[in-house]
Amino acid sequence: GAVVSQHPSWVICKSGTSVKIECRSLDFQATTMFWYRQFPKQSLMLMATSNEGSKATYEQGVEKDKFLINHASLTLSTLTVTSAHPEDSSFYICSEASGRHDEQFFGPGTRLTVL
Amino acid sequence: AQSVAQPEDQVNVAEGNPLTVKCTYSVSGNPYLFWYVQYPNRGLQFLLKYITGDNLVKGSYGFEAEFNKSQTSFHLKKPSALVSDSALYFCAVRDIGGGGNKLTFGTGTQLKVEL
Repeated sequence: GAVVSQHPSWVICKSGTSVKIECRSLDFQATTMFWYRQFPKQSLMLMATSNEGSKATYEQGVEKDKFLINHASLTLSTLTVTSAHPEDSSFYICSEASGRHDEQFFGPGTRLTVL
Repeated sequence: AQSVAQPEDQVNVAEGNPLTVKCTYSVSGNPYLFWYVQYPNRGLQFLLKYITGDNLVKGSYGFEAEFNKSQTSFHLKKPSALVSDSALYFCAVRDIGGGGNKLTFGTGTQLKVEL
C-alpha cells in the first residue's frame, strides 16, 4: 500500500499562533487527500477533502478560514491551523485516496497541543 | 447518507480465545466496507476490506470479517486472540452509489486481550 508521512509528529504552540502540518504521499501521486481530527477516545471526524490544484472541500461545521488547506503538488498537502486556541488541541490525521474505490492509507498523525 | 455503528465501546477477551468486534452499517447503495486498527498515538492501519465477491474476507494478522447483507453487518473476527491485538478498532464504510472516496467511521471499539 501507499506510504504517507506527516510532519511534525507532535507540536506544542501558544494560543494565537498558527501551526502548519504537512502530509506527504511518499510513493504515490495523490490527487486527493483527506484531513481528519480525532479527540481522545473518539472516532475520526473528516474535516476536509484536499484536491490537488484546486480548493479544498470542507465538511459542514469546519471553518475554512481557520483550517487552511493547500494541496499544491501531487505529493504534498498542508493543513494550517490559524490563530490556534486550546480547543483546537487534537490529533490530526491525513490520508491519501488512490482514486479507486479502495482503502485509504493514513499518515501517522500529528498531536497538536495549544497552550 | 451513510453511517456505521460499533455497539461496543470495549471488548475484553482472554488470549487464545476467539474474538469478535461488531459493526453494522447503513448506506443507500452497495457498500465498500473496511476495518482499520489504531495503536496509541498512531495513525490507522488497514486490516481488510469487502468490495465484492466472497462474503468472508481474510486480512492482515489473522483477522477476518464476514459481510452479511441481510443483517447489514461486517463483524471482525479472529480465531485466537493475542495480547498484541489489544488496540482500537474502527469499522468504516463508503457508499459506492454516493460517489467520491469519503469514508464514514464508526466510533471505535477498544479491544483488550488479557493473559
